[in-house]
Formats: sequence, C-alpha cells, structure tokens
Amino acid sequence: AQKITQTQPGMFVQEKEAVTLDCTYDTSDPSYGLFWYKQPSSGEMIFLIYQGSYDQQNATEGRYSLNFQKARKSANLVISASQLGDSAMYFCAMREMDSSYKLIFGSGTRLLVRP
Amino acid sequence: ETGVTQTPRHLVMGMTNKKSLKCEQHLGHNAMYWYKQSAKKPLELMFVYNFKEQTENNSVPSRFSPECPNSSHLFLHLHTLQPEDSALYLCASSQKIAGANTGELFFGEGSRLTVL
Repeated sequence: AQKITQTQPGMFVQEKEAVTLDCTYDTSDPSYGLFWYKQPSSGEMIFLIYQGSYDQQNATEGRYSLNFQKARKSANLVISASQLGDSAMYFCAMREMDSSYKLIFGSGTRLLVRP
Repeated sequence: ETGVTQTPRHLVMGMTNKKSLKCEQHLGHNAMYWYKQSAKKPLELMFVYNFKEQTENNSVPSRFSPECPNSSHLFLHLHTLQPEDSALYLCASSQKIAGANTGELFFGEGSRLTVL
C-alpha cells in the first residue's frame, strides 16, 4: 500500500500568489516525521520543512508552511508569494520510527510559476 | 564545497561494462543512503548504511553492489546492468539520533546513468 500520496502531478501558480501542494500519508505508527523536498532541474533534493507527529504547531520556514492535519493524515505544503525560482518538483516524504531512519517519498508535484 | 558530493554526474555504459558511482559527505553524518529515481516513479530506497554497516537492502538486484568503507564514503558498483536501470541515482546522508524524530536527509546532485 502506498504510504505517501501526492495527487497533483502538476500545478501552475501566478508569480507572487500562494499555492498549496497536497500530501496525504498512511501509517499506524504514532511517532513519525513528515518532510518536504524541492528538486530543481539540476537534480539535487533540497530539504524545505519538517513536521513531527507530536508537534503542536504547524511548521514554518520562511515562505514555506506546512498545513498539518493529523486526523486527516494530511501534510500540505503552502508556498506564499511564489517566485519564478520556485518552479521545480516537490516531494513529500515520511519517516517512521524504525531503525533505518529511511524516508519514503511520494510521486511528486511539478510546480510551474508563471510570470 | 557542497555537503554531499556525487561523481560522476553523468555516466553512459553498456550492459557488459563495470562502473562505480561514488558519494562523499562532508557533514559528519553517520548514515548514508542510495536512492533510485526513475522517470514518473517515486524515489525508491535501495540501501541504507549506519556507521558503515548495511541496515537495509530494499530487494535490490545483485547487479548493484554497495560498499561503505567509512562513514563519509559510499559507493555503488554496477555490473551487467539492464536498460531499465537507467535512472538518476541519488546519494544522501543524515545524522541518526536514537529516539529522536528528526534528522533530515541531505542529498547530492545525483548521478544520471544511461545503460545502452
């Protein structure tokens, strides 16, 4: 069963507007972490933001915020004031509390920012 | 100098060749990973190493052979590959902290492999 689901293969947003990228997850582990990564055309995966399952507040990092709805098992990424440089692939990932500390990734959303 | 460096960035090889991908991390991390990224598929975890010991092999075919001589270096040895193995191979590292739910992965820029 897929553990991380990103239902939007592609998204457009106008420059300076906000955009929400969807992510839902599935786990029976009460302790887990959720991550968002950005992958520009260069290929490198860039860490953006982290949300722990026990965190009371939604995570924020500059223009990035994570809309964490635990009961719905969703962890949507909100990018405010979009910039042209935000055009990239965005991946949601989850880590369960096991010994390997591995991340499981979703299929990604390609975001294109229009000038 | 970037935290995680992968070489080569691009590699073209025939099915009978033997080649290696190299990854080096300068972050003092104790865990390293190989991921495979194929077109239109999620990143697939291949191998995990913690303190030089392999802790996960995600059912990877034996034509991929990892090697981790120390916590800073990770190799992926390739032999008799198939065209469907063409993909972007991403190396990552992290600081594993027992009992803590943190420690994001830091990725290299990847090695793009084409198997002819």
